[in-house]
Amino acid sequence: EADIYQTPRYLVIGTGKKITLECSQTMGHDKMYWYQQDPGMELHLIHYSYGVNSTEKGDLSSESTVSRIRTEHFPLTLESARPSHTSQYLCASSPYAPLDRVREQYFGPGTRLTVT
Amino acid sequence: QKEVEQDPGPLSVPEGAIVSLNCTYSNSAFQYFMWYRQYSRKGPELLMYTYSSGNKEDGRFTAQVDKSSKYISLFIRDSQPSDSATYLCAMSAPTNAGGTSYGKLTFGQGTILTVHP
Repeated sequence: EADIYQTPRYLVIGTGKKITLECSQTMGHDKMYWYQQDPGMELHLIHYSYGVNSTEKGDLSSESTVSRIRTEHFPLTLESARPSHTSQYLCASSPYAPLDRVREQYFGPGTRLTVT
Repeated sequence: QKEVEQDPGPLSVPEGAIVSLNCTYSNSAFQYFMWYRQYSRKGPELLMYTYSSGNKEDGRFTAQVDKSSKYISLFIRDSQPSDSATYLCAMSAPTNAGGTSYGKLTFGQGTILTVHP
């Protein structure tokens, strides 16, 4: 079982509030990812990191920001939440993959965010 | 047009049935093909992956890739109520000519499967 944790699991918050979604993994994986998932829709990559002090934006434009100060920690921050940010946010990590192996991604349980 | 198309279902089958889940894709550069299972209120977990074309079997699960048709399938034999979940296909393409580095995963939208006793 993957050791990747997300908190909070559920969050209901008012418009304009600043929020931080936490993601931690204890597997020592160098690569970490944030996805956004809406019901019946595919996962969209919004941020990724290939190591400490490395962050990149994903395929889906997002107003959120991320940081990677420690290997095990990859928090996502929304400075001013809006109803359009309502979604499920999934964090994932993957280990180094040699040439002959795929980068298997391990997912956390997700944070269900509702902005009212 | 989406790079990966997956029938969202929902799909409802009786226990013991053979289930076929499918994805089509448009990017011929995809080389790694994966199937994830996601239970309600959980994150996806990797079920199987295959490289390039061919079949792979793991217990009751068989993954097939047909690159000529840009079509992948996951078969579940003797389906059980515990198989009820959303199944997501995902794919990855190399980011260099040598195929030694792979890019991010592109996911299908998932198929909701219910196996009833």
